Amino acid sequence: AQSVTQPDIHITVSEGASLELRCNYSYGATPYLFWYVQSPGQGLQLLLKYFSGDTLVQGIKGFEAEFKRSQSSFNLRKPSVHWSDAAEYFCAVGGTNAGKSTFGDGTTLTVKP
Amino acid sequence: DSGVTQTPKHLITATGQRVTLRCSPRSGDLSVYWYQQSLDQGLQFLIQYYNGEERAKGNILERFSAQQFPDLHSELNLSSLELGDSALYFCASSLGGRQETQYFGPGTRLLVL
Repeated sequence: AQSVTQPDIHITVSEGASLELRCNYSYGATPYLFWYVQSPGQGLQLLLKYFSGDTLVQGIKGFEAEFKRSQSSFNLRKPSVHWSDAAEYFCAVGGTNAGKSTFGDGTTLTVKP
Repeated sequence: DSGVTQTPKHLITATGQRVTLRCSPRSGDLSVYWYQQSLDQGLQFLIQYYNGEERAKGNILERFSAQQFPDLHSELNLSSLELGDSALYFCASSLGGRQETQYFGPGTRLLVL
């Protein structure tokens, strides 16, 4: 069965500091991996996705993620966080059909001024 | 604005009742997905429709059903409601059915009293 673990429930960083959100997955074949962001009262927005190819994936809003098969990880990074990045972030893993993706429990990001 | 609309935004009802949630996908999208987000279960995939046909099923209870109409809008029917059904229900849409980017609606918040 597929699963996703986001070890950090809550992370606080200062504005301008770098950010890394961790994601570990379990999947029987080559995974399809996603990062979504959810702002309060909003639906989820896709930040980036990995299907194959280059293991470093660039997304929107200056985010990137690196797929490491040996570590079963897909960590999200941003070099300099902005106050508007405060939100909840979800990692997801799936197969061919995107709808059957399994989501992690999310990491809430707080940005200090 | 993702282009996906959901109505109503909020719904308060009593146990044992039945409700219908509605979703209009982005123009041109053929797939509709339904998700449930609750504090104890996290974000869970319920069901997917593609061009009117059921494509994939997730953790959807037998008390719940969905359909996609010829104009591609979708409805999620929840019956014999229980307190535990209180959650945020999201609809998402994508162009096809396989790993395209999903665009999420703002959600319907259901409260069962």
